[in-house]
Amino acid sequence: DQQVKQNSPSLSVQEGRISILNCDYTNSMFDYFLWYKKYPAEGPTFLISISSIKDKNEDGRFTVFLNKSAKHLSLHIVPSQPGDSAVYFCAASALSSGNTPLVFGKGTRLSVIA
Amino acid sequence: GAGVSQSPRYKVAKRGQDVALRCDPISGHVSLFWYQQALGQGPEFLTYFQNEAQLDKSGLPSDRFFAERPEGSVSTLKIQRTQQEDSAVYLCASSRDRRSYEQYFGPGTRLTVT
Repeated sequence: DQQVKQNSPSLSVQEGRISILNCDYTNSMFDYFLWYKKYPAEGPTFLISISSIKDKNEDGRFTVFLNKSAKHLSLHIVPSQPGDSAVYFCAASALSSGNTPLVFGKGTRLSVIA
Repeated sequence: GAGVSQSPRYKVAKRGQDVALRCDPISGHVSLFWYQQALGQGPEFLTYFQNEAQLDKSGLPSDRFFAERPEGSVSTLKIQRTQQEDSAVYLCASSRDRRSYEQYFGPGTRLTVT
């Protein structure tokens, strides 16, 4: 039973446009959410995170939105660039409950077309 | 200094062989995690260390899997009597301390069991 779900396995976006990657979770104990980016043959790289006490966090071209009532978060990339092409993983943690491991979704492969 | 390193990067083992995978975390990082990533899936938690103490091994799939971190730095994941279903990328991650949400991943070891 997946606790973190990324229902879109892939997404194609034109360069310069907005990329929106979605993530849903089921465990209400999760209190921190992270996005990781992964290139082939490399480990996941931390991108941006958000605490459950916030509904938005922005870092340059990347913004993460959290809707706690819907148990939904999304990552917005604007403008999208070809170098953003990678697999993006959504991850969640219940650190305040003493559970430190991250629970990951299956990932969404983003292709930014020049 | 450098990020998380893992060795070997690739390992081919015949079914029934034992393998040992090494992880060098970021210097000074207290927490160390092992994850298993099957093809097309997100990373899944195996085990967690805080310094040399293994605080959570609930994700280890069987008693053929064993992990240690004797001096609180380098960690080794050992798989005994490998089976084909053990084929996956094994990722190591470290974080500064127990209260740190962000985990920094190594490049992984791709294990193929033939």
